[in-house]
Amino acid sequence: ETGVTQTPRHLVMGMTNKKSLKCEQHLGHNAMYWYKQSAKKPLELMFVYNFKEQTENNSVPSRFSPECPNSSHLFLHLHTLQPEDSALYLCASSLGTSGTPYNEQFFGPGTRLTVL
Amino acid sequence: DQQVKQNSPSLSVQEGRISILNCDYTNSMFDYFLWYKKYPAEGPTFLISISSIKDKNEDGRFTVFLNKSAKHLSLHIVPSQPGDSAVYFCAAADAGKSTFGDGTTLTVKP
Repeated sequence: ETGVTQTPRHLVMGMTNKKSLKCEQHLGHNAMYWYKQSAKKPLELMFVYNFKEQTENNSVPSRFSPECPNSSHLFLHLHTLQPEDSALYLCASSLGTSGTPYNEQFFGPGTRLTVL
Repeated sequence: DQQVKQNSPSLSVQEGRISILNCDYTNSMFDYFLWYKKYPAEGPTFLISISSIKDKNEDGRFTVFLNKSAKHLSLHIVPSQPGDSAVYFCAAADAGKSTFGDGTTLTVKP
């Protein structure tokens, strides 16, 4: 596997379910990100991790819980979601979080989440 | 308040002609600008970038121009090819944190 991978690619869940999204990067990067892309809206940054430490939480509701056990893996734990949380969830990684060229992010293919 | 705006949701050009995608920003603290390209069912892929200390960066058929006084950047693709048809996102970074525009869907007609 190369680049940034995300599983599952598609997920349908009920509002009472608990599920997790997984992201793995094989690029030796130190920073990882979760983004949300809703229909007709720009990419919204959710969380940033740098060297496994969370450095950014963009006012995300607590029903989204990130976990970064190491620099290569990033999880997004989901519980009691709402239908409006249905979106494409993208994971990305970069060398670091500041300075050129650390800004260049490599994205995974995303998980299409539908909350019923 | 959206800090990065791509005011044209879509653009259609003929193969071989120039495609110009535009992006405006409001935050003068942004110091690095990037363009990403996204095909359906895939994540965005990095295309080209420019530092705020430059006004032009070229990579093959792709050139990015930055006008800091106008807080405007543009991506020129010449000549355009059908394979360039995709959604193009501009992003602006401040201390490594990137803010994305809404995207412009480019269609290159054969």
